[in-house]
Amino acid sequence: ETGVTQTPRHLVMGMTNKKSLKCEQHLGHNAMYWYKQSAKKPLELMFVYSLEERVENNSVPSRFSPECPNSSHLFLHLHTLQPEDSALYLCASSQTRGAYEQYFGPGTRLTVT
Amino acid sequence: EDQVTQSPEALRLQEGESSSLNCSYTVSGLRGLFWYRQDPGKGPEFLFTLYSAGEEKEKERLKATLTKKESFLHITAPKPEDSATYLCAFISSGSARQLTFGSGTQLTVLP
Repeated sequence: ETGVTQTPRHLVMGMTNKKSLKCEQHLGHNAMYWYKQSAKKPLELMFVYSLEERVENNSVPSRFSPECPNSSHLFLHLHTLQPEDSALYLCASSQTRGAYEQYFGPGTRLTVT
Repeated sequence: EDQVTQSPEALRLQEGESSSLNCSYTVSGLRGLFWYRQDPGKGPEFLFTLYSAGEEKEKERLKATLTKKESFLHITAPKPEDSATYLCAFISSGSARQLTFGSGTQLTVLP
């Protein structure tokens, strides 16, 4: 595996379900990010982790809970989601938090029913 | 407030028909202007970083330029495989090292 991988690629969940998205980077980077991409809207930064420590939380509802157990893995735990949370969720990594070049995974297409 | 606007929203070109995509920005303390390419169902792919007015970067049929108010992505003699959404983004001194993205230009190159 190379680059940034994400699983699952597609997820359909009900509003009462609990699920998790997984991201793994194989680039030796120290910073990882979660973004949300909704139709016709710009990418929105959700969370930033640097050296496994959360450094940014951009007013994201508590029904989204990130976890970064080590510098290669990032999770997004989901519970009690709303239909408006349906979107493409993208993980990215960069060499350091201050490095400007971010490398993205393919994303998880989430549908909340 | 720092912001970036991309135009046009969508562009259709014939193969070989050169054109430019625009990214207008209002940013205090620009640290970097970035171009990404995004194919349907995939994550954005990094293309270029520009740091100061007058800077240019090239890659195959693409050339990115930067002025004090705009960045252009010039596409010379495009091919159908250049079809994608092109995103610009910036980091400013006031953005805590976060990338802020525009809405993108959806480019379709017809054979």
